[in-house]
Amino acid sequence: AQSVAQPEDQVNVAEGNPLTVKCTYSVSGNPYLFWYVQYPNRGLQFLLKYITGDNLVKGSYGFEAEFNKSQTSFHLKKPSALVSDSALYFCAVVTTDSWGKFQFGAGTQVVVTP
Amino acid sequence: GAGVSQSPSNKVTEKGKDVELRCDPISGHTALYWYRQRLGQGLEFLIYFQGNSAPDKSGLPSDRFSAERTGESVSTLTIQRTQQEDSAVYLCASSTRTSAGTDTQYFGPGTRLTVL
Repeated sequence: AQSVAQPEDQVNVAEGNPLTVKCTYSVSGNPYLFWYVQYPNRGLQFLLKYITGDNLVKGSYGFEAEFNKSQTSFHLKKPSALVSDSALYFCAVVTTDSWGKFQFGAGTQVVVTP
Repeated sequence: GAGVSQSPSNKVTEKGKDVELRCDPISGHTALYWYRQRLGQGLEFLIYFQGNSAPDKSGLPSDRFSAERTGESVSTLTIQRTQQEDSAVYLCASSTRTSAGTDTQYFGPGTRLTVL
């Protein structure tokens, strides 16, 4: 069975500081990994995904994530956080063995203070 | 273009009643997904439709839950004899299906269901 863990319920960071949101996964087969963001009273929005190729993936709003196969991780990063980045972030995984059955993490609330 | 739409946006019902939730995917998207998001929790996979293939219903929590999709368009999620534990936001998403099979999902705004 596949699973995704986001070990931190909340991450607090000051504006301008680096932001990291952690995600680890457990799957059988090759993982395809995604990050989504959910702003209050709005639907989930796609940030970035890893399929194959370069382990460092760049996405929307200055976010990037690095796929680390040995550590089974896909941490989301942003070099300089903005107050507007405050939102709920979800990591998700799917494999071709169970295509369509995406497994989402529990989410990490990011709070960026001015 | 138009995104994924869901209706109603809010639904309050009494325990034991049946409810229908509707999802209109993005035109041309062959894949459609339903998720449940309980308060303070992550997304729970319910069901996945891909074109004319048999849907993956493995995430439906009980036989009170069912879903249908008409071709590659509208989908309806039906919950029969609702229980208080069914209270949640129900999210729908759609995507295209590339040869790699690894598609970005586009989510609707959700239907907030409250069972009294």
